[in-house]
Amino acid sequence: GAGVSQSPSNKVTEKGKDVELRCDPISGHTALYWYRQSLGQGLEFLIYFQGNSAPDKSGLPSDRFSAERTGGSVSTLTIQRTQQEDSAVYLCASSFQETQYFGPGTRLLVL
Amino acid sequence: AQSVSQHNHHVILSEAASLELGCNYSYGGTVNLFWYVQYPGQHLQLLLKYFSGDPLVKGIKGFEAEFIKSKFSFNLRKPSVQWSDTAEYFCAVKDRRGSGGGADGLTFGKGTHLIIQP
Repeated sequence: GAGVSQSPSNKVTEKGKDVELRCDPISGHTALYWYRQSLGQGLEFLIYFQGNSAPDKSGLPSDRFSAERTGGSVSTLTIQRTQQEDSAVYLCASSFQETQYFGPGTRLLVL
Repeated sequence: AQSVSQHNHHVILSEAASLELGCNYSYGGTVNLFWYVQYPGQHLQLLLKYFSGDPLVKGIKGFEAEFIKSKFSFNLRKPSVQWSDTAEYFCAVKDRRGSGGGADGLTFGKGTHLIIQP
């Protein structure tokens, strides 16, 4: 079956612009996670959704980052007023029976 | 907070050599343990996982890992590597308590870049 999909695959933006990243989880997976993968920091947990609610937002690096999930399916991660340090690969994963399955990621470059 | 250490950042082996990648975690409570692999140009894929039971778990492509609770370790092994095993390997841990403070997500090690020379 289809895996986790993310769009866009690549995004180049200018410092100060807002960006929106999308994640389509595997059908039927109720839990959804966002991570960030960067050279200096490795893989970092950002936020977790169970259904449409986000009980754990503790990994979001600043208040410029927000995420939502609607209909228990698609999720969007929004970064406002992007900074160069936001450049990274943003990964989404959905979970079934405590196992997370990852999408291909969105590579974000902030100029 | 939970932390995960992968001791070898870069490993270079010849084909048919045996492989062991180290992974240690800090949390002493109940955890779920994972190894993920990222082949060049591809996304993270699950190699194997341990939740409970037999501490020796077998995964895909001939990989196995052993959970040693007393050492907080979950080392990855393969008896004979192939050129196609060239990839980045990540150990990850999840605190089974969950419930906020980052505990709901996976905590990853920094990864081991494995290169297999033909």
